[in-house]
Amino acid sequence: GQNIDQPTEMTATEGAIVQINCTYQTSGFNGLFWYQQHAGEAPTFLSYNVLDGLEEKGRFSSFLSRSKGYSYLLLKELQMKDSASYLCAPRGYNKLIFGAGTRLAVHP
Amino acid sequence: GAVVSQHPSRVICKSGTSVKIECRSLDFQATTMFWYRQFPKQSLMLMATSNEGSKATYEQGVEKDKFLINHASLTLSTLTVTSAHPEDSSFYICSARDQRQGVRWNQPQHFGDGTRLSIL
Repeated sequence: GQNIDQPTEMTATEGAIVQINCTYQTSGFNGLFWYQQHAGEAPTFLSYNVLDGLEEKGRFSSFLSRSKGYSYLLLKELQMKDSASYLCAPRGYNKLIFGAGTRLAVHP
Repeated sequence: GAVVSQHPSRVICKSGTSVKIECRSLDFQATTMFWYRQFPKQSLMLMATSNEGSKATYEQGVEKDKFLINHASLTLSTLTVTSAHPEDSSFYICSARDQRQGVRWNQPQHFGDGTRLSIL
């Protein structure tokens, strides 16, 4: 079956670092995506991992361990505009499956 | 970069109306497009995979006679919600990725801006 698990909500302070964890089980695996979604808007692409290890992209980094079915998204130097939902999305054979997302609230 | 356009952005209509939503890939060809639905504070749920020139593949529990999908060209897929009722009110989002030959296979899926459907 398919299952994706992320924390429902997180809070953090402006300027801090936050790590959002995701564990997954999918039928087939062709990489894992992270998306950001602001309320009422469509998701926007943040990062992609297909091999184990860390991918860094500016303030955002994403890590993958395929053997553990585990990924995390690391956000550095948090800004107020980073308040949003973050969606972990492993790709199965030909489709993305989304977790419920983690709602991150950044406060001053 | 790749862009997906979705229209309309918002629809408000009476119960029993059929509503058509269009999804276009603007600068790439998409043999496959995906339709999602999202209720407030919930996850994006994949409804169906739209395949150019053939029948759509529906996820379990999604009524194919209720949600008609047509993918007549490499850049356009449409979702028609037939005889919509208040429980069909939701945020519908389409998605596609560049699958042309020579394009890296790990291209992300890009999303349209979504259609907020409200059935009175």
